[in-house]
Amino acid sequence: GAVVSQHPSWVICKSGTSVKIECRSLDFQATTMFWYRQFPKQSLMLMATSNEGSKATYEQGVEKDKFLINHASLTLSTLTVTSAHPEDSSFYICSAFSDRNEQFFGPGTRLTVL
Amino acid sequence: KQEVTQIPAALSVPEGENLVLNCSFTDSAIYNLQWFRQDPGKGLTSLLLIQSSQREQTSGRLNASLDKSSGRSTLYIAASQPGDSATYLCAPVNQGGKLIFGQGTELSVKP
Repeated sequence: GAVVSQHPSWVICKSGTSVKIECRSLDFQATTMFWYRQFPKQSLMLMATSNEGSKATYEQGVEKDKFLINHASLTLSTLTVTSAHPEDSSFYICSAFSDRNEQFFGPGTRLTVL
Repeated sequence: KQEVTQIPAALSVPEGENLVLNCSFTDSAIYNLQWFRQDPGKGLTSLLLIQSSQREQTSGRLNASLDKSSGRSTLYIAASQPGDSATYLCAPVNQGGKLIFGQGTELSVKP
């Protein structure tokens, strides 16, 4: 299957700082990528749809000013958690939509906000 | 709004058993459906993709069926192995590519 990478794989930061997470499709181009959040023992919750060259579409209840998404190329989407707080601590996972209409997921980024 | 239910929530079996994992969804207007596995603390691995026009897909010891009209999909795992231990997630996909996940079935296969 196709490969999607995320960087960093884990990050610890102080409350109030901003954290950027990168999602790359390594061997295919993805006009659409998705960002999910997963709390312990829970399933994945879709946060937003990232479209190359246009604004992201956010799910209800997700603050677009807090979770900034940029999809500047067909292989890279970034999620920036601005002014992170402890309640933002979670496992963030991205996925990329292939031209076979199949989604491939990155390995996830564990964010811990102190 | 699409809602996905997976049954059972957890399953513990001895090695070698054939398993059935069930998934139901409320909105049958789906584009396709994917089954994933997730190991603890890891991302998701795609197992099978079933297009809405298909009835089933097979990959090795895995077979997934789809009954779109009744909003059901089933994942069969043959001759289970300890390495199959993981959480299995079912996700119907709408035309925009959005996946809606169930809570998953946590599978433990004992040697």
